[in-house]
Amino acid sequence: KAGVTQTPRYLIKTRGQQVTLSCSPISGHRSVSWYQQTPGQGLQFLFEYFSETQRNKGNFPGRFSGRQFSNSRSEMNVSTLELGDSALYLCASSYQPSSGANVLTFGAGSRLTVL
Amino acid sequence: GESVGLHLPTLSVQEGDNSIINCAYSNSASDYFIWYKQESGKGPQFIIDIRSNMDKRQGQRVTVLLNKTVKHLSLQIAATQPGDSAVYFCAEVGGYSTLTFGKGTMLLVSP
Repeated sequence: KAGVTQTPRYLIKTRGQQVTLSCSPISGHRSVSWYQQTPGQGLQFLFEYFSETQRNKGNFPGRFSGRQFSNSRSEMNVSTLELGDSALYLCASSYQPSSGANVLTFGAGSRLTVL
Repeated sequence: GESVGLHLPTLSVQEGDNSIINCAYSNSASDYFIWYKQESGKGPQFIIDIRSNMDKRQGQRVTVLLNKTVKHLSLQIAATQPGDSAVYFCAEVGGYSTLTFGKGTMLLVSP
């Protein structure tokens, strides 16, 4: 089956602009999580959605937001871009069974460069 | 390819050697851990997981050891191959499957 699909794979923006990234989870997966990866900070959790509800949020400013649609697809938005927002943004999906292991499957990421 | 990290700890081994990658975690209440592998230009890929009620788990060519007393995990890769070259992350699994990742270790395998 198809994996987690993220679009676009690469994009370049300038400071002050906003950006929207898209994630299509594995079919049947209802949980979508977003992570930011930078050389300095590593992989950091942004937020997690399940059935269109944000259940958990990491320590990022309000400029970072997201949403999930009824088909489990998710988008994240970053407004008023700063140079430090340059990063690889990773989306992961999982099935969320009521018990047992719940492994996240990651997409290839969207690489954002802010100039 | 894209760099996933600068100044990461690096482990260099020869093809066929056994590799051991270490990780310290912070939350003594964590009860589930995962090792991920990230190749250049790709997202992290699941390797193996372990629950806190175990101290060892084996997969195909990989073994994870958990020492809860000192909050330490290790990943052992047997007969390391050039295709194993990647950055390896340990992760603690929290509520709603939120992952707290370690800093990562770059494994370089020479033919």
